[in-house]
Amino acid sequence: EAGVAQSPRYKIIEKRQSVAFWCNPISGHATLYWYQQILGQGPKLLIQFQNNGVVDDSQLPKDRFSAERLKGVDSTLKIQPAKLEDSAVYLCASSPEGYEQYFGPGTRLTVT
Amino acid sequence: AQRVTQPEKLLSVFKGAPVELKCNYSYSGSPELFWYVQYSRQRLQLLLRHISRESIKGFTADLNKGETSFHLKKPFAQEEDSAMYYCALKGGGFQKLVFGTGTRLLVSP
Repeated sequence: EAGVAQSPRYKIIEKRQSVAFWCNPISGHATLYWYQQILGQGPKLLIQFQNNGVVDDSQLPKDRFSAERLKGVDSTLKIQPAKLEDSAVYLCASSPEGYEQYFGPGTRLTVT
Repeated sequence: AQRVTQPEKLLSVFKGAPVELKCNYSYSGSPELFWYVQYSRQRLQLLLRHISRESIKGFTADLNKGETSFHLKKPFAQEEDSAMYYCALKGGGFQKLVFGTGTRLLVSP
């Protein structure tokens, strides 16, 4: 089966610009996650969707980050405006409810 | 609050040597613990989970609730084991996965 797809793989922007990341989960997976992984740290959950509803967004900086999952399938994560400290790898993962999470390749964001 | 600590950033061993990657956790409830691995240029993937009590690629990990530890062990390291290893804990109201900072294992010939 095809894995979790993410695009773009790399993005370089200047601070105060906006950026969007896209994720296509494994078909049939109800739960979708976005993680932020800063260099030297482990992944940190930003937001978790169950179908198209938000389950947990307690660690999402809502003043600049937003995410949506239309129709319970694909998802987009947006940052507007970006700050230098947003430089990180953004990982998308999906899982059948309550089971193992499958990760995408990630998007490496560099904010200059 | 959930917390996972991996004290070693880098663990360097020779091929055939035993390996132990340390993981300690902090959680008030009954945790579910995992080890994830990321090989060079590959995706983060699940290696093993404590409830399965299985050995994957020769690795085992035992949950020690008294010491709040979930150390990953392998008796004889192989060069292909070189990778980043992350310990993770699942718990809380939303069953959130919390990761440690990771340990890079380098196995030299």
